[in-house]
Amino acid sequence: AQSVTQLDSQVPVFEEAPVELRCNYSSSVSVYLFWYVQYPNQGLQLLLKYLSGSTLVKGINGFEAEFNKSQTSFHLRKPSVHISDTAEYFCAPIYDKVIFGPGTSLSVIP
Amino acid sequence: GAVVSQHPSRVICKSGTSVKIECRSLDFQATTMFWYRQFPKQSLMLMATSNEGSKATYEQGVEKDKFLINHASLTLSTLTVTSAHPEDSSFYICSVPTSYGYTFGSGTRLTVV
Repeated sequence: AQSVTQLDSQVPVFEEAPVELRCNYSSSVSVYLFWYVQYPNQGLQLLLKYLSGSTLVKGINGFEAEFNKSQTSFHLRKPSVHISDTAEYFCAPIYDKVIFGPGTSLSVIP
Repeated sequence: GAVVSQHPSRVICKSGTSVKIECRSLDFQATTMFWYRQFPKQSLMLMATSNEGSKATYEQGVEKDKFLINHASLTLSTLTVTSAHPEDSSFYICSVPTSYGYTFGSGTRLTVV
């Protein structure tokens, strides 16, 4: 079955510290992988995506993610977070349709 | 880039009434649009796939007669919540596949009182 797991439901981190949000997907076929961010009471904004090519993908707001096929992972990272990064983050692999992970709530502490 | 407009952003309605939510692709044509529902502190759950010129495809457990979807043109899909009840209160989001990926509307917060 096609599924996606985000191991951490909540991640508190101090401002300017690095952060990694984990995502694992299940797949026996090639997939496209996305990370979206959602601010309170808003829609989703695309952070970055992996379609093919280089496994290290850089996105907006200083975020990057690395596609690891052998581990079926697509973890999101940022070397130094800001208060404004506080939001909900969703990993979303695309099979025949978009499937969203349960989300990780990132809280940046001043 | 692709722009998707969703309207209204917020709506409050009385129990038993119907509410229509619109999703428009502003600068491209979309033969397919997706409708999601999001409860507080939860992820997005796909409700249905809207197909221009044919019937929508509903996910398991979604009531077709309650959530009416009409893909009227290549730029417009509507979701109508019929005979709304308080448990239908939620955040509804549409999405359109484009060459850039999937672009999402800004969402509609529905509150049924």
